[in-house]
Amino acid sequence: AQSVTQLDSHVSVSEGTPVLLRCNYSSSYSPSLFWYVQHPNKGLQLLLKYTSAATLVKGINGFEAEFKKSETSFHLTKPSAHMSDAAEYFCVVSVRDMRFGAGTRLTVKP
Amino acid sequence: GAGVSQSPRYKVTKRGQDVALRCDPISGHVSLYWYRQALGQGPEFLTYFNYEAQQDKSGLPNDRFSAERPEGSISTLTIQRTEQRDSAMYRCASSLGVAGAEETQYFGPGTRLLVL
Repeated sequence: AQSVTQLDSHVSVSEGTPVLLRCNYSSSYSPSLFWYVQHPNKGLQLLLKYTSAATLVKGINGFEAEFKKSETSFHLTKPSAHMSDAAEYFCVVSVRDMRFGAGTRLTVKP
Repeated sequence: GAGVSQSPRYKVTKRGQDVALRCDPISGHVSLYWYRQALGQGPEFLTYFNYEAQQDKSGLPNDRFSAERPEGSISTLTIQRTEQRDSAMYRCASSLGVAGAEETQYFGPGTRLLVL
């Protein structure tokens, strides 16, 4: 069985400052890991995915995530937040079907 | 089409009625998935298909929920005798290849169901 824990339900940053959204996972098998973003009244959009290649994964809009097996973590980062980054972010672990975390709401203050 | 589409986008129904939610995957995508998302939660897996074959329905909450994909393309999720607790966003996704860990799933906009 696999599961995901997003450690913060809400993160608030100022525009131009770094973003860190934390995710820990549990899986009996070698999983694939994803981050999806959901803007208000929009569908889920893939930000990036890890599938056992490079442990540092670069995604769209300047986001990246690092897979750390020893820590069972897959934290999402961005060097400089933009107002348009305000959204709900979901960490996902996949062995066959996807298991979503509860989500982290990112707020970006001007 | 260009992306996954779902219809209707919004559905309001009375308790006890049956509802059918439709998903049209990206053309050529082999696998199709259904999820339910309650307010303030992440999507929860319901079931998925490879082609027309339903592979796993362990996530369906009870026997009032069923899904089909008879021709390996469009899928319908049916909820019989709806209850207020069925109110949620129902999301559909599709992937190019057979369901597996590395497959990227592309999501539709969802159907918001409200049971009164």
